[in-house]
Amino acid sequence: DFVMTQSPESLAVSLGERATINCKSSHSVFYDSNNRNYLAWYQQKPGQPPRLLISWASTRESGVPDRFSGSGSGTDFTLTISSLQAEDVAVYYCQQYYTTRTFGQGTKVEIK
Amino acid sequence: QVQLVQSGAEVKKPGASVKVACKASGYTFTRHYIHWVRQAPGQGLEWMGMIIPSGGSTAYAEDFQGRVTMTRDTSTSTVYMQLGSLRSDDTAVYYCVKEDTGTYAGPFDYWGQGTRVTVSS
Repeated sequence: DFVMTQSPESLAVSLGERATINCKSSHSVFYDSNNRNYLAWYQQKPGQPPRLLISWASTRESGVPDRFSGSGSGTDFTLTISSLQAEDVAVYYCQQYYTTRTFGQGTKVEIK
Repeated sequence: QVQLVQSGAEVKKPGASVKVACKASGYTFTRHYIHWVRQAPGQGLEWMGMIIPSGGSTAYAEDFQGRVTMTRDTSTSTVYMQLGSLRSDDTAVYYCVKEDTGTYAGPFDYWGQGTRVTVSS
């Protein structure tokens, strides 16, 4: 079974500063045949369903601000918010879709 | 525009079953897999399983095998998730989710509004 481990569980960042969230998969999510990592990032605000931010580890979805970026390959991935804004306060989840589907436990981002 | 509209909140007693509906619109229903994800109060996201609307094939997470059934009605573009033998720890918000890609695994691009299921005696 795939296990997705996020770190940290929570972080507090000053407005305008960088926030970095890590996600480690127990198995590689890189598919050789199409050279893609089957890894997504979601943002969830209170009382709302999650929203897709990043797919294929680094492809930003339409409408997502460019301060959000994804990187990594294989088993280690990172979501970076380059300059934290008040509206970015949320819980962030990574997800593998290489086989069945598995989410990380979530990382809560707050303002310091 | 793509929409997934779910049925309303439910309150059930332990041991009962619940059936949640998810009506899709704004895209070709049979071309995209539909998944179910739940979220217990204050907890993270848990994948329950998926259905392929074109043929009705399903795949369920191991934790729900034998208790969950996912079906679809192509005439109304509606997917159903039935969970049986309910326990108090099944209290959660249940989401139906559309998968982005049609022919291979992809991310979840549209989510329903969620259906709150409360299990209480």
